[in-house]
Amino acid sequence: AQSVAQPEDQVNVAEGNPLTVKCTYSVSGNPYLFWYVQYPNRGLQFLLKYITGDNLVKGSYGFEAEFNKSQTSFHLKKPSALVSDSALYFCAVSVPAGKSTFGDGTTLTVKP
Amino acid sequence: DVKVTQSSRYLVKRTGEKVFLECVQDMDHENMFWYRQDPGLGLRLIYFSYDVKMKEKGDIPEGYSVSREKKERFSLILESASTNQTSMYLCASRRRGWADTQYFGPGTRLTVL
Repeated sequence: AQSVAQPEDQVNVAEGNPLTVKCTYSVSGNPYLFWYVQYPNRGLQFLLKYITGDNLVKGSYGFEAEFNKSQTSFHLKKPSALVSDSALYFCAVSVPAGKSTFGDGTTLTVKP
Repeated sequence: DVKVTQSSRYLVKRTGEKVFLECVQDMDHENMFWYRQDPGLGLRLIYFSYDVKMKEKGDIPEGYSVSREKKERFSLILESASTNQTSMYLCASRRRGWADTQYFGPGTRLTVL
């Protein structure tokens, strides 16, 4: 069975500093990996995804993520955090002909 | 832009009531999903539908049923609501394949008293 782990419930960072939100996964076969963001009282919004090709994926709002097959990780990164980046972030994995599995979410707080 | 709408943002029901949650998408997507979101548990898949009149159980289907009579509409039904079904319910749609992005509705916060 496939699974996703987001080891940190909460990440705090100062505005202007780089941020990392961690995600590791376990699947049989080649994974499709996604990051979504949820702002308060809203549904999830797509940020970026890895399907194949370049291990560094760039997405919306200046976010990027690096696929590392040997470490089975897909960490979300941003070089310079904004207060408006404060939200709940979800990592998700799916495999061909399989369903999607979401992590438990990580709350990112960016302080001015 | 893809738009996924849900019939209610907030809903309060009594134990034992039959509850209908409606979801509509406007992009002719084949796949639709119902999740529930609880603090610390992430998103858990209740049911999904590959196409009209098709449905498959997700991870937590007990106490729920679904209906998809038209491509754009996917309904979640709580036959007899219970307090442990108090939660945020999220609907999503996707074009067709597992590599495609899911688009989410704003959610329905259901409280069962």
